[in-house]
Amino acid sequence: EVQLVESGGGLVQPGRSLRLSCAASGFTFDDYAMHWVRQAPGKGLEWVSGISWNSGSIGYADSVKGRFTISRDNAKNSLYLQMNSLRAEDTALYYCAKDESEVVAGPIDYWGQGTLVTVSS
Amino acid sequence: EIVMTQSPATLSVSPGKRATLSCRASQSVSSNLAWYQQKPGQAPRLLIYGASTRATGIPARFSGSGSGTEFTLTISSLQSEDFAVYYCQQYNNWPLFGQGTRLEIK
Repeated sequence: EVQLVESGGGLVQPGRSLRLSCAASGFTFDDYAMHWVRQAPGKGLEWVSGISWNSGSIGYADSVKGRFTISRDNAKNSLYLQMNSLRAEDTALYYCAKDESEVVAGPIDYWGQGTLVTVSS
Repeated sequence: EIVMTQSPATLSVSPGKRATLSCRASQSVSSNLAWYQQKPGQAPRLLIYGASTRATGIPARFSGSGSGTEFTLTISSLQSEDFAVYYCQQYNNWPLFGQGTRLEIK
């Protein structure tokens, strides 16, 4: 059974940093691209960032480019999101999600339950 | 930059009836289009990929059609568990979601 478990969310002040982690199990992690998708309270889904199986292809939404960094450790079956210079508009539930393919070119076939990030003073 | 537009924003349909949801891309995404269902307090669930292929375990009452810029999700006979928010997503380029359609009970 595919499991994606996010951690690292919490309350943080504007301008500060936070690092999210996602522990994956139930599939061969290094065979698939991975994503972070967020959802602000009461709003729709927003793709944040994606990374191919070997970290050779990485992409970011314009709203986070230059502030967020995605990475993965295939030896640890883990995905990460380093979030710097956080803003109030980054407040959201952050989902870790698995791509159906090895590159960032497929649908998202599995989702975690999310970790909540609240940016507020 | 691609823009994904879903319509309508809210759709009210009676149980047992058919629901038709639309998704339009501002430029062609070929058949690289997925549909997701999200219920309150839950993560999204993949329903359709490749514009028309049902994901594993998805009932046959869900069907997708279209290619290029115009796509449709049809639910043939609405069950109580189908009332939710539906999102389309293109993956022809970096992923992008539509703003969602809320399907509510009439």
